[in-house]
Amino acid sequence: DTGVSQDPRHKITKRGQNVTFRCDPISEHNRLYWYRQTLGQGPEFLTYFQNEAQLEKSRLLSDRFSAERPKGSFSTLEIQRTEQGDSAMYLCASSSRIYGYTFGSGTRLTVV
Amino acid sequence: AQRVTQPEKLLSVFKGAPVELKCNYSYSGSPELFWYVQYSRQRLQLLLRHISRESIKGFTADLNKGETSFHLKKPFAQEEDSAMYYCALSGLMGGSEKLVFGKGTKLTVNP
Repeated sequence: DTGVSQDPRHKITKRGQNVTFRCDPISEHNRLYWYRQTLGQGPEFLTYFQNEAQLEKSRLLSDRFSAERPKGSFSTLEIQRTEQGDSAMYLCASSSRIYGYTFGSGTRLTVV
Repeated sequence: AQRVTQPEKLLSVFKGAPVELKCNYSYSGSPELFWYVQYSRQRLQLLLRHISRESIKGFTADLNKGETSFHLKKPFAQEEDSAMYYCALSGLMGGSEKLVFGKGTKLTVNP
């Protein structure tokens, strides 16, 4: 499979717990993005990596959120002390200049 | 501020009818405009980008800089076109090419 993979597909967690999501981009793509999508909204930009460098973070990304891309390949998004408002679909995408974005299937987070 | 507006949350047409999904944008500069589509239970995928000026699955979209619009059109809708459609812009903001999405329009094509 040469697409963008995200794991897990679904995560249910109790409020206050920490969660971590993983994204494996297309190997030739050096840019990796995280987006969040809530019901009735389009995806909203969270953060962006070029190789291993995190170059931009949205104001949506509170200090409970942290993202890494340690070797410029896969990326993780961690949410600490989850809140009900964190419930959303978390989308990862990777991009190349020629072909543009490829999105993963997303991780649906439910905080109960 | 960068903003994408899709005024119709829902759009319903009959098979064979023309369809137009509206998109207006706000951006100070020259953005790239895109249409993304999400079929039921599938991932978000690129449908069109304005710089390629191509027709995909019978859909076309023309960038109108004067009206700041990028409406998506198809002359004869098919049932398989039923999906969620998102208009998005990228302005190479900070070099990141991050996308700003509209809220989406759910298109239903009835038999």
